Amino acid sequence: KAGVTQTPRYLIKTRGQQVTLSCSPISGHRSVSWYQQTPGQGLQFLFEYFSETQRNKGNFPGRFSGRQFSNSRSEMNVSTLELGDSALYLCASTYSGTGVQETQYFGPGTRLLVL
Amino acid sequence: ELKVEQNPLFLSMQEGKNYTIYCNYSTTSDRLYWYRQDPGKSLESLFVLLSNGAVKQEGRLMASLDTKARLSTLHITAAVHDLSATYFCAVDGTLTQGGSEKLVFGKGTKLTVNP
Repeated sequence: KAGVTQTPRYLIKTRGQQVTLSCSPISGHRSVSWYQQTPGQGLQFLFEYFSETQRNKGNFPGRFSGRQFSNSRSEMNVSTLELGDSALYLCASTYSGTGVQETQYFGPGTRLLVL
Repeated sequence: ELKVEQNPLFLSMQEGKNYTIYCNYSTTSDRLYWYRQDPGKSLESLFVLLSNGAVKQEGRLMASLDTKARLSTLHITAAVHDLSATYFCAVDGTLTQGGSEKLVFGKGTKLTVNP
């Protein structure tokens, strides 16, 4: 089975711009979660989508948004970029996200640099 | 609010030695994960611990969970250089009262195994 894929792998943007990141989960997985990783704050949960609906949300401002499509692929969007948004953005997928034995499988990440 | 603390944050050890990484969390949850991250790479799932007293072993790594003490340990036996990486524990925040964060991560333990 192919793993979780994320595109693009690297991005450079300037302050004030917006960016869209994409995540394709493992085939058959319906839950997609997004995380931000920075040296200062570590790994932080952004949001989780299941069956095209946001199921859980972390403590990020409204500039961070996401969506999920009927094929379970997910996108996250960051508007009005700030320097502090520079980070590695990871997505993870599971079958349902609630199964007892489930673990989250992470993609390779998108490294975003905001100048 | 769920908080996850790992210690130590940095660990330098000699090959062949044993050591333990500790993960404490603040609110009851019955699902804890351990992940490994190599520099510049994504997260690799190591263990999922689901119940009090759970113990899992893979090679030189053994993880355990004490839900009453809200403590998990990752024990390294006879360390080898290939184990050098950053290890994260994470707790399923959606299983805590009022929790909405899918995974809440510790800050990570950077392990360096010296020949």
